[in-house]
Parts: sequence; structure tokens; C-alpha cells
Amino acid sequence: GAGVSQSPSNKVTEKGKDVELRCDPISGHTALYWYRQRLGQGLEFLIYFQGNSAPDKSGLPSDRFSAERTGESVSTLTIQRTQQEDSAVYLCASSHGRDLLFYEQYFGPGTRLTVT
Amino acid sequence: AQKVTQAQTEISVVEKEDVTLDCVYETRDTTYYLFWYKQPPSGELVFLIRRNSFDEQNEISGRYSWNFQKSTSSFNFTITASQVVDSAVYFCALSEGPGAGSYQLTFGKGTKLSVIP
Repeated sequence: GAGVSQSPSNKVTEKGKDVELRCDPISGHTALYWYRQRLGQGLEFLIYFQGNSAPDKSGLPSDRFSAERTGESVSTLTIQRTQQEDSAVYLCASSHGRDLLFYEQYFGPGTRLTVT
Repeated sequence: AQKVTQAQTEISVVEKEDVTLDCVYETRDTTYYLFWYKQPPSGELVFLIRRNSFDEQNEISGRYSWNFQKSTSSFNFTITASQVVDSAVYFCALSEGPGAGSYQLTFGKGTKLSVIP
């Protein structure tokens, strides 16, 4: 079956512009996660959705970052007034449930964002 | 706070050699889960293994084996008879046990493995 898909795969934007990154989770997965992977670093947790609500936004680095999810499906991560330090790969993952003991997180291929 | 340390940034081995990737973790939780993921050049993380903190049995899956030692807070990963297809970045990760934080993964910085033919 189809895995997690993300678009665009690559995005180059000028400093100060807004960007939207899209994630299509695996159908039926109620949990959705966004991570950021800076060059040479591990993944940093950004936000977790259960259904359409986001009980944990603790990883969002600033108020320029926001995310929403609709229809318990597609999610959009928006970065306003992009800065060069926002350059990274943004990965989305989805799972059937929350507890990692029982439910595996399936990752998408990521969106590589470059802010010039 | 949780922390995962992968001290080896990059490793190169010749095909058919064995290689061990180190992972050391820190957590205050008594129950936690440990993971290894593989990130090939395509970018998608591939789940390899999950280990519950109560289960210290080592595990073998084909050419892969994992050594979990609570006494040293380590969860090392060995690839036997490495192959070129094993070339990837490998991440060790940690999450809290059942409850509020059991979905949030804390990742190490990864070890880039290059297997030379």
C-alpha cells in the first residue's frame, strides 16, 4: 500500500518568504508527527497530531512555525518569514496509534527546504 | 531530560567486514523504549528494531544483531558480513514508556556507514 508522502520534495525560498510543506499520511493512521532534520543532526520533534488536534506543539521552535491537519488526513506545516536557520529536511511520520511500544511510526521521504 | 549519543559520526568498512554502531542513552524513566532506524540515501527512515527497557535479551535478525545493556545504558547495533546495501545513516532513538510521552522520539545524531566494495 501507499506510504507517507510529502510535497514538495525540494523547496528553495528567499529569506523572509512563507512556505507550506504538505504531508499525506498512510490512510487510517490517526497519529501524525512532524520532525526537523538539520544537516548532520538527528531528527528533532516538532509537533504531534491525534486526529485533527495537536495535543503537543512543544517542539515548534518559534511562533513562525505552525501546523494544521484536516479530515484526519493531510497536514500542512507552515513557516512564516523564513530564516536561513530554517534550512533543513522536514520529515513527516504517521502511525495507527500513539504508544510506540505497539505502533510504529512510518516516515515519509521528507521535504528539503533551503532558505537563501 | 532524555538524550541519545552516537559518538561515531562516520564509519567506513570494506564489504564483508563486521561493524558495530554504538548508542548510549540517558533517561530518568524506568520504562522506556529504544529504537534503531536506517536512513538510506532516498531519505525515508526505515524502522529496524524496537526494544522495551524490561527486555534485555539480545536480538538477532539475519545479519543484524542488537546488544542492549541497561548497566551501561547502551544499545549497540552490529552488522555482520556488511554489504554495500547497508550503506546508510543509522539512527538510535529513545522514547518514554507508556503514558504521556510515549510517542515522542529522541534521536541521536546518527552514524553514517559506508560499505566499500
